[in-house]
Amino acid sequence: NAGVTQTPKFQVLKTGQSMTLQCAQDMNHEYMSWYRQDPGMGLRLIHYSVGAGITDQGEVPNGYNVSRSTTEDFPLRLLSAAPSQTSVYFCASSRLAGRSNTGELFFGEGSRLTVL
Amino acid sequence: AQTVTQSQPEMSVQEAETVTLSCTYDTSESDYYLFWYKQPPSRQMILVIRQEAYKQQNATENRFSVNFQKAAKSFSLKISDSQLGDAAMYFCAYRRDYGGATNKLIFGTGTLLAVQP
Repeated sequence: NAGVTQTPKFQVLKTGQSMTLQCAQDMNHEYMSWYRQDPGMGLRLIHYSVGAGITDQGEVPNGYNVSRSTTEDFPLRLLSAAPSQTSVYFCASSRLAGRSNTGELFFGEGSRLTVL
Repeated sequence: AQTVTQSQPEMSVQEAETVTLSCTYDTSESDYYLFWYKQPPSRQMILVIRQEAYKQQNATENRFSVNFQKAAKSFSLKISDSQLGDAAMYFCAYRRDYGGATNKLIFGTGTLLAVQP
């Protein structure tokens, strides 16, 4: 049971470098999202998607880019990394909430990113 | 905008004792869901318990139960017979019931629970 898979688990970047955090789910979930977790701030929503070809901004979208070309994949791109983007990143997916389900989120194991 | 507040950054409990973690939220909506997530040192986010706002009965999952006070906008988590494996960061979270539009969760800042042997 793969669930939600994030890669890499750890990454160190230099300021200005770019990178992509990969997220894949095998549960045929329509909804996918990216959160960042910082000490004392909980988890904050970066971007989300309700289906292939549809993305939208969350609470803290600046400096991040996403796309959703398939149902399974939802990569998060850092175009020019900054030290403020040092964080733990979580990808999460779910079925869209509706009458027959509560839209429970399933999380990946997280990716720790350090920007020097 | 909806907000979730956890006023206890850290808590400690003796093994086998009971502990209650507090959570309050602010919303103008009448239909929503509330969640408690556990994050052990492994970093994995684990759903502990869920409460639908339209249900008056408090949710229970084994040793975990909630005290949901809708009028007071309070959603506390009670852990009975605490075990060493309960040591973790606990997050309270809110989701508006869009009825199919989005599944955005709003999280509190977390409470770090230590369990003393």
